[in-house]
Amino acid sequence: QVQLQESGPGLVKPSQTLSLTCTVSGGSISSGGYYWSWIRQHPGKGLEWIGYIYYSGSTYYNPSLKSRVTISVDTSKNQFSLKLSSVTAADTAVYYCARGGYSYDVDYWGQGTLVTVSS
Amino acid sequence: QTVVTQEPSLTVSPGGTVTLTCASSTGAVTSGYYPNWFQQKPGQAPRALIYSTSNKHSWTPARFSGSLLGGKAALTLSGVQPEDEAEYYCLLYYGGVEGVFGGGTKLTVL
Repeated sequence: QVQLQESGPGLVKPSQTLSLTCTVSGGSISSGGYYWSWIRQHPGKGLEWIGYIYYSGSTYYNPSLKSRVTISVDTSKNQFSLKLSSVTAADTAVYYCARGGYSYDVDYWGQGTLVTVSS
Repeated sequence: QTVVTQEPSLTVSPGGTVTLTCASSTGAVTSGYYPNWFQQKPGQAPRALIYSTSNKHSWTPARFSGSLLGGKAALTLSGVQPEDEAEYYCLLYYGGVEGVFGGGTKLTVL
């Protein structure tokens, strides 16, 4: 069974860059057929898709975050990563990594990690 | 900016049937929006239930079903169980690329 696990700092200072990594187990990122996503949830709010990456490296970013987001993949470590620059308190959220498929499904999710932006 | 709208809250009795809907600000929802539905309980990650309108994942209970209804995507729960109390989110794909989540429906089983 595929499992995803987010890791990274739980506290980031304003104006700095938020960096998270998602480690995938039970399946290979480079096997193809899937896209690897970052999704966030502000406290007590709904879900927001940040973007995704294919194993080939091609990406899609939410237009509202595009100028600040970079998603990359490291197939040798079976990981993909998120960088969000120039963060503010509005970026405080639970960040999830998830797997999406070519059937337009998002099936497996990580447990999520809370990132707080504060000085 | 595209907005996906769900009922903020619904209440259903145990054993009853309830339908949650998902509307798009761009017009009628069709199968080309590949509607997905997720269940989220407090403190947990979302769990996938339905994809591409009506397809179930292997772990999706039979009482959950997806459809298109009156220009919206719909999730129907038949024979509701107490453990179905949760927040439910829909997801629509635009242009096959951009995914937009609805605001969520808080389902109370009472």
